[in-house]
Amino acid sequence: KAGVTQTPRYLIKTRGQQVTLSCSPISGHRSVSWYQQTPGQGLQFLFEYFSETQRNKGNFPGRFSGRQFSNSRSEMNVSTLELGDSALYLCASRTNGGLDSPLHFGNGTRLTVT
Amino acid sequence: AQSVTQLDSQVPVFEEAPVELRCNYSSSVSVYLFWYVQYPNQGLQLLLKYLSGSTLVKGINGFEAEFNKSQTSFHLRKPSVHISDTAEYFCAVIKGGNYQLIWGAGTKLIIKP
Repeated sequence: KAGVTQTPRYLIKTRGQQVTLSCSPISGHRSVSWYQQTPGQGLQFLFEYFSETQRNKGNFPGRFSGRQFSNSRSEMNVSTLELGDSALYLCASRTNGGLDSPLHFGNGTRLTVT
Repeated sequence: AQSVTQLDSQVPVFEEAPVELRCNYSSSVSVYLFWYVQYPNQGLQLLLKYLSGSTLVKGINGFEAEFNKSQTSFHLRKPSVHISDTAEYFCAVIKGGNYQLIWGAGTKLIIKP
């Protein structure tokens, strides 16, 4: 079974631009979560989508948005990029979000904003 | 509010020595606890989890953790580490009924040859 796939692996953008990151979950997984990981702030939860609906949301500004498609693939968009948005963005999928449903992570997209 | 504290940001240890990575949580209700590992340039993967039952939980790669309700701890241990265990380890707890995970800050395990 293929794992969680995130594209692209690396991305360099300029301040003020916008970016879209993509995540393909494990086949059969209906929940997709996004995290931002930085050396200073650690792992921070952005949002979770389940069956195309946003189920949970972290404390990030409205510049960060996401969506999930009917095939469970998910995209995350960041508009008006700031230098502080430089981070590793991790996507994780799980079957249905229950207690016995662990997160499976992709290898992340490393975003650098210059 | 629930929180997770990993007391050590880095733990250096010699190869083949035992290691314990500490995790404490704050909660007044039942919790569900997890340890994840992140190898360099990779995402996180589940090491082990405690949902209920036996307080000693065995995971992958020879790791185990013990749930201690009275001390609100869930420390991770391995009797003999290998250079391949070099990674960052994250403790996490489930928050409430929406099954959202609350994460610790991570502990970098550094194996010295």
